[in-house]
Amino acid sequence: VLTQSPDTLPLSPGETATLSCRASQSVTSTSIAWYHHKPGQPPRLLIYATFARASDIPDRFRGDGSGTDFTLTISRLEPEDFGVYYCQYCDTSPYIFGQGTRLEI
Amino acid sequence: EVQLVESGGGLIQPGRSLRLSCVVSGFMFENYDMHWVRQAPGKGLEWVSGITRSGLSIGYADSVKGRFTISRDNAKKSLYLQMNSVRAEDTALYYCAKDFYGSGEIDVWGKGTTVTVSS
Repeated sequence: VLTQSPDTLPLSPGETATLSCRASQSVTSTSIAWYHHKPGQPPRLLIYATFARASDIPDRFRGDGSGTDFTLTISRLEPEDFGVYYCQYCDTSPYIFGQGTRLEI
Repeated sequence: EVQLVESGGGLIQPGRSLRLSCVVSGFMFENYDMHWVRQAPGKGLEWVSGITRSGLSIGYADSVKGRFTISRDNAKKSLYLQMNSVRAEDTALYYCAKDFYGSGEIDVWGKGTTVTVSS
């Protein structure tokens, strides 16, 4: 099980967001992905293998973590960053998602 | 341009069967693992099922195991999800999704097809 916190994170443009994803048991250090999901659009891959940014993702997005605790840090928030963020376990099936963190203005 | 186009969704009664399809273009389908992911109304993302590029290895979420069957036809560049004994909780937007490099991360998503289970 992946548990994300907080459920909702109210912030303003220009601030830094720190999103947490906790696994119910220790996982491979490179087994977490992060996605951004906005209404009416499919999710977008941000981070894969815990640390690596996907194509065209700016360096404001940073993934980190090991063991059971993983974080996504978004610096200098921009208006288009708001929406729901999901972490996903990616090593062996089932590739479960966390319940999501809503980043809102 | 990489495209994944789902079809087959609709309104279906509990206990009945439905088959979702996904036709892809713009990449070598036979070289990539594929997945189905769903989002129920007002809920988060749920990984449903995945299949390796050869079709030899398959996985399911516990919530659909024994009821859903994933398959693929590499010659037709198509992914399928056979949904049997559907339940109200299967109501969701179903996304067809391309695996990034074989570890479960998804780098390309379709726009989804909606399945509504109701009597």
